[in-house]
Formats: sequence, structure tokens, C-alpha cells
Amino acid sequence: AQSVTQLDSQVPVFEEAPVELRCNYSSSVSVYLFWYVQYPNQGLQLLLKYLSGSTLVKGINGFEAEFNKSQTSFHLRKPSVHISDTAEYFCAVIPLDTGNQFYFGTGTSLTVIP
Amino acid sequence: NAGVTQTPKFRILKIGQSMTLQCTQDMNHNYMYWYRQDPGMGLKLIYYSVGAGITDKGEVPNGYNVSRSTTEDFPLRLELAAPSQTSVYFCASSPGWTYGYTFGSGTRLTVV
Repeated sequence: AQSVTQLDSQVPVFEEAPVELRCNYSSSVSVYLFWYVQYPNQGLQLLLKYLSGSTLVKGINGFEAEFNKSQTSFHLRKPSVHISDTAEYFCAVIPLDTGNQFYFGTGTSLTVIP
Repeated sequence: NAGVTQTPKFRILKIGQSMTLQCTQDMNHNYMYWYRQDPGMGLKLIYYSVGAGITDKGEVPNGYNVSRSTTEDFPLRLELAAPSQTSVYFCASSPGWTYGYTFGSGTRLTVV
């Protein structure tokens, strides 16, 4: 069975400050890892993904994430946030044994304060 | 390139009514999905399809039905609507595991 835990439901941060959104997962098999972003009243958009290789992956809008297998984590970071980064962020995994669906975390609401 | 199109965007149903949420994609993706999103609960999979004519249940299928007669269309049917089905529904499609999903803009459904 798979589960995804996003430890922070809400993260307020001042504009131009760095931010880290935390994601931990539990799975009995290997997984692919993804981050999605949801702007108000919109569907989710793919931000970045880890499939294999380098554990540091870069995505759109200046975001990056690091896969840590020993800690089963996939934290999302951005060195300097903008007002436009205000959104809901979802971590998701897809198990490699079935690959038929994503399992999503409950989301982290990022609010960038001017 | 429209991507994934969902209709309607908003709908209010009375308890016991039925309706179909439409989902169409123009990317020739084999995989299609229906999720519901409830506040603080993330997204839960209702049904999915790996190709035309093939559907399977997800985590929360009760009260819903789907069909996949073409690659493009994946409608979700609600029979006998209940207040517990008040939610935001997202359709998504994908060409395969490693690509992630392309989501529609959602249907906000209220059952009163």
C-alpha cells in the first residue's frame, strides 16, 4: 500500500524568501515521485518529477526537489518566492508494480505575503 | 490544442437526481482518470481507464459509473445523487506512467 504525507497544510512566507514544502511517502515497492501545483479554481499542473538518476530535479517556475531514498522524502524548494507562487501544492507517487494511478498527498497551501 | 475539457464547470443537483460529467481529451492519451477533491483530503481516484473499452474502479467508486467507448471521451455518471457527492471533480489523462497527468479545469458539484 502507498501513502503520501505532506506535513504542513499551510505555509505562509514573505515574498523573496526561500521556502520548503515537505513530502514523505510510504511504499512497499519503488515509486516515481511528482509535484503538482494548483492555482485557484484551476486543475493541477505538473511542476516536476523524479523517475531515476540525479536525486535533485528541477522543474518549472524555479522550483526544485530532492529525492532522499533513505528518508523516503521528496521535499520541494524554491530559493526566492514570488506573489504568483501562491497556490496549493500536491506531492504524488505512482508505484512501479502497477503504475495505474497516482496517490496524492493532502496538499500544502502556500501563501506568499507581500 | 484544447487538452482535457470538462463540462459543466458548475452544477447544483437535488438529492436523488442523476447527471453525467463530460470529459474529452484531444491528445490521443490511452489513460484517463476521474478524481474527486474534497477540502483537506487531497484527490481520491474514482475510476480509471487504460484504453477504449477498458475501465476499472479506483479508491471511491460507490455511487458512480463510467464508460469509455472512444479514446477521447470518458464520461462520469452519478446515479441518485447524495450530499456526500458534493465535491470538485477532475478528469485527467496521460500517455503513460512517466509523463504525469494533464488535468481538466474541474467541475464543482453541489448536491442539496
